[in-house]
Amino acid sequence: SQTIHQWPATLVQPVGSPLSLECTVEGTSNPNLYWYRQAAGRGLQLLFYSVGIGQISSEVPQNLSASRPQDRQFILSSKKLLLSDSGFYLCAWAKGKASSYNEQFFGPGTRLTVL
Amino acid sequence: AQSVAQPEDQVNVAEGNPLTVKCTYSVSGNPYLFWYVQYPNRGLQFLLKYITGDNLVKGSYGFEAEFNKSQTSFHLKKPSALVSDSALYFCAVIHSGAGSYQLTFGKGTKLSVIP
Repeated sequence: SQTIHQWPATLVQPVGSPLSLECTVEGTSNPNLYWYRQAAGRGLQLLFYSVGIGQISSEVPQNLSASRPQDRQFILSSKKLLLSDSGFYLCAWAKGKASSYNEQFFGPGTRLTVL
Repeated sequence: AQSVAQPEDQVNVAEGNPLTVKCTYSVSGNPYLFWYVQYPNRGLQFLLKYITGDNLVKGSYGFEAEFNKSQTSFHLKKPSALVSDSALYFCAVIHSGAGSYQLTFGKGTKLSVIP
């Protein structure tokens, strides 16, 4: 079966510090991968998605970047955090190519607080 | 642009009563619709999806959803609510972009089941 991991689970960082959040998927290959941010326990905003190694698409201009160095690894980064980067970050995966309408499966999330 | 609307921020229902969480959609072309549930400080869990076929879709944990094309709705239902159903519920619609299929989420509806 497939599983998705995110770490760390919680993170408190000062403004201006760097960030690295990691997401890995097990039990599948060539997944589509996604990073979302959820603010105030409500709506989800898609930040980045990837259909393959080294292929990253950004949905909104922001202080963050993403990378996919391996097939089942997706990393969210920042060089200098802003207060507005605080939130709950969710990684998700979906089967790629086989069907266009596959559901996404979400990781447990990382709660980031920038002080 | 594809979008979904969840008109109720919160729904309260007594345990044992039927529950409905509302969702309406706006899409160009055929709608592909999803429901997810989120428990506090957790990732989203997939409940069910409508792609084509029967208008009544059955999903996890006894939930079902009714697709209504004339009313552009996809309401989530359960015949008898449990206290453990209390959570945040998201409706979503899928759309395509740059080789990947992405979900656009509603703002979420908080369901509280009262013992």
